[in-house]
Amino acid sequence: KAGVTQTPRYLIKTRGQQVTLSCSPISGHRSVSWYQQTPGQGLQFLFEYFSETQRNKGNFPGRFSGRQFSNSRSEMNVSTLELGDSALYLCASSLVLGAGGITDTQYFGPGTRLTVL
Amino acid sequence: KNQVEQSPQSLIILEGKNCTLQCNYTVSPFSNLRWYKQDTGRGPVSLTIMTFSENTKSNGRYTATLDADTKQSSLHITASQLSDSASYICVVSAVTSGTYKYIFGTGTRLKVLA
Repeated sequence: KAGVTQTPRYLIKTRGQQVTLSCSPISGHRSVSWYQQTPGQGLQFLFEYFSETQRNKGNFPGRFSGRQFSNSRSEMNVSTLELGDSALYLCASSLVLGAGGITDTQYFGPGTRLTVL
Repeated sequence: KNQVEQSPQSLIILEGKNCTLQCNYTVSPFSNLRWYKQDTGRGPVSLTIMTFSENTKSNGRYTATLDADTKQSSLHITASQLSDSASYICVVSAVTSGTYKYIFGTGTRLKVLA
C-alpha cells in the first residue's frame, strides 16, 4: 500500500508570491491534516479536512488555506509569502477524523520543504 | 495556557542502553497523548497513542506511560539501537465542544552511539 505522498518535495519562492502544495493520502484514508515545522517553533497544526470539509483549524493567518477533493487528495495554499513561511510542510492522513476522542493513527508524508527568499 | 514540555532537549547514549524521555503537559481538557519518532529529513512516525484511561502502551522496544493525575508521560526505549537516533515528539490533544487542537512539544533529540 502506497504511503502519503507530497508534491513537490522542495520549493523555492520569493516574498509576495503564492504557493500550492499537494498531498495524496493513503488509499482509503478520508482525513488529511497539515502541519508546519520550523526549527524555532517545532511542529504546529495548520488544519484538518475530512470528507471535503475543514473540520479544524490552527492559529495561522488567513494567508494559509486548504481544500480537500472528493478523492481525499488535499491542497494547501499560502498567499503573499513571507520569509517566516520558510518551513517543512507536512501532511498526514488517517482513516477517520483525528483526535476528538477517537484513537486513530496518523501517517505522515515526507513533507515539502519551502524556502522563501 | 496549554503547553507541552519535553525533557531532556537532547540525549546521547551508547548502543544497547536504555533511556527514558519525559513529557509534561498542562493541556485541558485532555483527549489523548501521542509519541512520534522523526528521523532527520522525514515525516514523523506514530509510536503510541494513549487516552485518559490508559497507563501504559508498548510498541516493540518503545513503552509509553501516562499519569493523567500528574499530567506526565514518559517514553522508555529498551536496548537502544543506532536506528533509534531521531527526534521524539510528544503531542497532546485537547477537545472542547467537539473541536480539538493539537499541542506539540519541541521534541527530544536522541543520538545513539556505537
